[in-house]
Amino acid sequence: QQQVKQSPQSLIVQKGGISIINCAYENTAFDYFPWYQQFPGKGPALLIAIRPDVSEKKEGRFTISFNKSAKQFSLHIMDSQPGDSATYFCAASTGNQFYFGTGTSLTVIP
Amino acid sequence: KAGVTQTPRYLIKTRGQQVTLSCSPISGHRSVSWYQQTPGQGLQFLFEYFSETQRNKGNFPGRFSGRQFSNSRSEMNVSTLELGDSALYLCASSSGLLRATEAFFGQGTRLTVV
Repeated sequence: QQQVKQSPQSLIVQKGGISIINCAYENTAFDYFPWYQQFPGKGPALLIAIRPDVSEKKEGRFTISFNKSAKQFSLHIMDSQPGDSATYFCAASTGNQFYFGTGTSLTVIP
Repeated sequence: KAGVTQTPRYLIKTRGQQVTLSCSPISGHRSVSWYQQTPGQGLQFLFEYFSETQRNKGNFPGRFSGRQFSNSRSEMNVSTLELGDSALYLCASSSGLLRATEAFFGQGTRLTVV
């Protein structure tokens, strides 16, 4: 059973556009929601994270929107750049066990 | 501050053999978690070690085992390798507090079973 559902599987965005990736979860015990960025041949790198007591968190061009009642959260990448082309994973955690979404392959076209 | 170090980066093994992977966490971090990443299954949790004790365990067969040393370094062992064990094995380092905090991944070990 997939604890965290992520969509879309792939995304193509024009340079300067907004990339939006969505995730949904069921377990209300989750209390930490990070997003990771992974380039080919590399390990996932922590991008930004949020806790459920906050509805939005912004770091540079990256924003997490969190809807506790809907059990959904999303990553928005503003002014998307070709260098943002990577696979993005959402995750949810309770304690120290993380459950990952299946990933979104983002391609930003110059 | 040094990041998470995994060794070796690449391994090729034959079916039936066993393999040991190593992970050195970020200095001061006491929790090490292991994940298997495959194109079809994504990132799957194997187990987590904290203070030399396995604290959490995923749904993998007993052929997958691990341990943690007093300096927080961790090793993962896979015995009787199968073709399906070919994957990128990642370890993640975190402080280990009961409430989840930032987890940082290493570059991974690419295991190929032939």
